[in-house]
Amino acid sequence: QTVVTQEPSFSVSPGGTVTLTCGLSSGSVSSSNSPSWYRQTPGQAPRTLIYSTYTHSSGVPGRFSGSILGNKAALTITGAQADDECDYYCLLYVDSGTNWVFGGGTKLTVL
Amino acid sequence: QLQLQESGPGLVKPSETLSLICTVSGGSMSSGGYHWGWVRQPPGKGLEWIGNVYYRGGAYYSPSLKSRVTISVDTSNNQFSLELSSVTAADTAVYYCARQAGSGLDCWGQGTLVTVSS
Repeated sequence: QTVVTQEPSFSVSPGGTVTLTCGLSSGSVSSSNSPSWYRQTPGQAPRTLIYSTYTHSSGVPGRFSGSILGNKAALTITGAQADDECDYYCLLYVDSGTNWVFGGGTKLTVL
Repeated sequence: QLQLQESGPGLVKPSETLSLICTVSGGSMSSGGYHWGWVRQPPGKGLEWIGNVYYRGGAYYSPSLKSRVTISVDTSNNQFSLELSSVTAADTAVYYCARQAGSGLDCWGQGTLVTVSS
């Protein structure tokens, strides 16, 4: 079964830039995997940040950006703020027509 | 503004069937272009995609749950549902319904906790 990989944890300084990645246990991620990104604070439903690799969901600030870096999807946060400290998940389309898989999530600390 | 709301029992006994409904408001499921899906999150763990259904009824499921899951749609009531059979404690989770475009999940319900326990 396909596994989607993310860094378990990451830290960034306030005002700094951080790039979180999303990979596949076998193979490379491309735009055909339709990478999307979500953030979640404790006790809340996830919020969509990015879909179709690059596209911002409504109301999401431009300091969040999506891309493909090498063989992985990436989420870059520029000018990190204290309230960016939460969990980030990616979602990939991994089988033709049938299967989407979440990564295990990255816990981002801003300090 | 599109809103999704989960409803159903918060407690299910082991070996029984978990049943949840998602009610969609602020838009019609029959307008097309979207799938309607379910995601779950066990306490303290990550998100798991369960499956989705198109308004005309075609459904897709995670291979790991496929043998136990049914997702169906009721366009007359603008609702879709999740049934998960033969549940165990491992199925205890917050269950979210969501609208899924071809490119990801773009609108989420608030989630409902379902506990499997006798």
